[in-house]
Amino acid sequence: DAGITQSPRHKVTETGTPVTLRCHQTENHRYMYWYRQDPGHGLRLIHYSYGVKDTDKGEVSDGYSVSRSKTEDFLLTLESATSSQTSVYFCATQGTGKTEAFFGQGTRLTVV
Amino acid sequence: DQQVKQNSPSLSVQEGRISILNCDYTNSMFDYFLWYKKYPAEGPTFLISISSIKDKNEDGRFTVFLNKSAKHLSLHIVPSQPGDSAVYFCAASVDTGFQKLVFGTGTRLLVSP
Repeated sequence: DAGITQSPRHKVTETGTPVTLRCHQTENHRYMYWYRQDPGHGLRLIHYSYGVKDTDKGEVSDGYSVSRSKTEDFLLTLESATSSQTSVYFCATQGTGKTEAFFGQGTRLTVV
Repeated sequence: DQQVKQNSPSLSVQEGRISILNCDYTNSMFDYFLWYKKYPAEGPTFLISISSIKDKNEDGRFTVFLNKSAKHLSLHIVPSQPGDSAVYFCAASVDTGFQKLVFGTGTRLLVSP
């Protein structure tokens, strides 16, 4: 399995504050993804990256931005957190030529 | 619009019996299908996958069947074990190499001793 570390694992923040979640991988995988998991929705793609500085929007990107300045790190930023962004966030990575993505342990974010 | 659907939120089976988890999809462009298993407080773990050019893929106790005409796939676990108790997600992608996965809502499997 890919070495994927998400930080923090848990966070409580107030509405309107900015929040940054970090995904760090040690496998030199080219592709990285951010998903959110909500009851009744499964996992939904927020943003993805197909290389350093190459990112694009997923299905539910409103209110989120990402950055990837180096291969191993993919940051997800909530510019101004809202209660609807309370969720569990998963980072995933995938190597070139590989047919499955590997997921991190998740970050539980609560916006109060 | 839910492109990947898992209509059974939960399934209970006895140890040693077969578990069958079902998944339906609507997008005919999906080319690759995967099953992930998820325990509480952990990330999803890849279980098994199948390409649209196949109708069956087997890995030990796990077999995935794909019926393209019906846009339906199923995961068979035989024999089921208590350690298989988890949430199972079906996922689909239009690209084998670079996977922007579309997930179903999951089926919680409980295998009782």
